[in-house]
Amino acid sequence: AQKVTQAQTEISVVEKEDVTLDCVYETRDTTYYLFWYKQPPSGELVFLIRRNSFDEQNEISGRYSWNFQKSTSSFNFTITASQVVDSAVYFCALSEFNRDDKIIFGKGTRLHILP
Amino acid sequence: DVKVTQSSRYLVKRTGEKVFLECVQDMDHENMFWYRQDPGLGLRLIYFSYDVKMKEKGDIPEGYSVSREKKERFSLILESASTNQTSMYLCASSLFRQKQETQYFGPGTRLLVL
Repeated sequence: AQKVTQAQTEISVVEKEDVTLDCVYETRDTTYYLFWYKQPPSGELVFLIRRNSFDEQNEISGRYSWNFQKSTSSFNFTITASQVVDSAVYFCALSEFNRDDKIIFGKGTRLHILP
Repeated sequence: DVKVTQSSRYLVKRTGEKVFLECVQDMDHENMFWYRQDPGLGLRLIYFSYDVKMKEKGDIPEGYSVSREKKERFSLILESASTNQTSMYLCASSLFRQKQETQYFGPGTRLLVL
């Protein structure tokens, strides 16, 4: 069975602080994909990153970075020098190879960046 | 850029009404999806389609039906709306079947059933 756990329901940090959003997944497959999406107050889910299970290199995109650790089944997301515009709900998601393109989403982490 | 549009941002309907939610994508994507999002429950897949006139049940298809007559358009139908269908509905699309491609989402429709 697939499962994505985002244990942090809600996080508040002061602007310019770094913050890490945790994601732990479960799968029996060796080939799978992991995703992060951002949902700002407007409601639309915005795609941030897609990573396949064979690529364990960390990824950095501006202030965003992702740490993929297969050994601990984690795909954590760090925002450096957070800004108020980063306030949103963030979803981690998993898709297994040849499973009808379904994506299983975590419950999300609501991030508040305080000015 | 991928563009997924949904016919309404906000909708108010009465119990028993037939409700149509429309979704259109402009990138020739094969797959289209309908989710509902509820507090504490996250996103749950209602139906998806990987081709015209094809549909597959998701995790919570009861009370819903779908239609995909054209590749770019995927409609979600509530045959007889009920108050427990008050929710945020999100449409998404992805490029190719069986490739675990990124899903791109529309802005969502907030449906209130009175």
